Amino acid sequence: QQQVKQSPQSLIVQKGGISIINCAYENTAFDYFPWYQQFPGKGPALLIAIRPDVSEKKEGRFTISFNKSAKQFSLHIMDSQPGDSATYFCAATGSYNTDKLIFGTGTRLQVFP
Amino acid sequence: EAGVVQSPRYKIIEKKQPVAFWCNPISGHNTLYWYLQNLGQGPELLIRYENEEAVDDSQLPKDRFSAERLKGVDSTLKIQPAELGDSAVYLCASSLSGEGSEQFFGPGTRLTVL
Repeated sequence: QQQVKQSPQSLIVQKGGISIINCAYENTAFDYFPWYQQFPGKGPALLIAIRPDVSEKKEGRFTISFNKSAKQFSLHIMDSQPGDSATYFCAATGSYNTDKLIFGTGTRLQVFP
Repeated sequence: EAGVVQSPRYKIIEKKQPVAFWCNPISGHNTLYWYLQNLGQGPELLIRYENEEAVDDSQLPKDRFSAERLKGVDSTLKIQPAELGDSAVYLCASSLSGEGSEQFFGPGTRLTVL
């Protein structure tokens, strides 16, 4: 019940295309859902995050869509660029467990020119 | 502003040897985390500190792993003795105290146990 399932494992997108990564969770006590971006040799960096009181959050080319009833959330990268090539992790946590982040398994995104 | 600093960046040791990792968090961040990241996986929390106190070490294998955060700033994570399965990236992160505070990650230490 503590798991966060992420798909796909890898994704190849043409420059200018839309990248979509999906995550699903079981624990309804989760109340904070961040996405992290990790480049090779670097630590993960927070990209965008959402709380379940809204269904969508947009920051620039990055959008989180959240479906509370389905317990699913997704990251959409519009106009994907080669510089977006990285590994993306979804995560979930809840204030009930002092914000312990539970990470998905990651999606390796490659954007080709 | 300096980010989370970790050293060494890479470490290669033989099994049964001891190893230690060091982390210097962002100035002013009271909360410090150590994560384990296996190849192709997301980070998994090993231990979390609030100042000097370890408030969540439930995932730390205490038979061989230990950690300390003296004076509530820098932290060290030690493995003794190391096993082949300990090969992974060890990430340190820090945050301000309080619900929902963003965690900032260091670059990690890549450990290879031969």
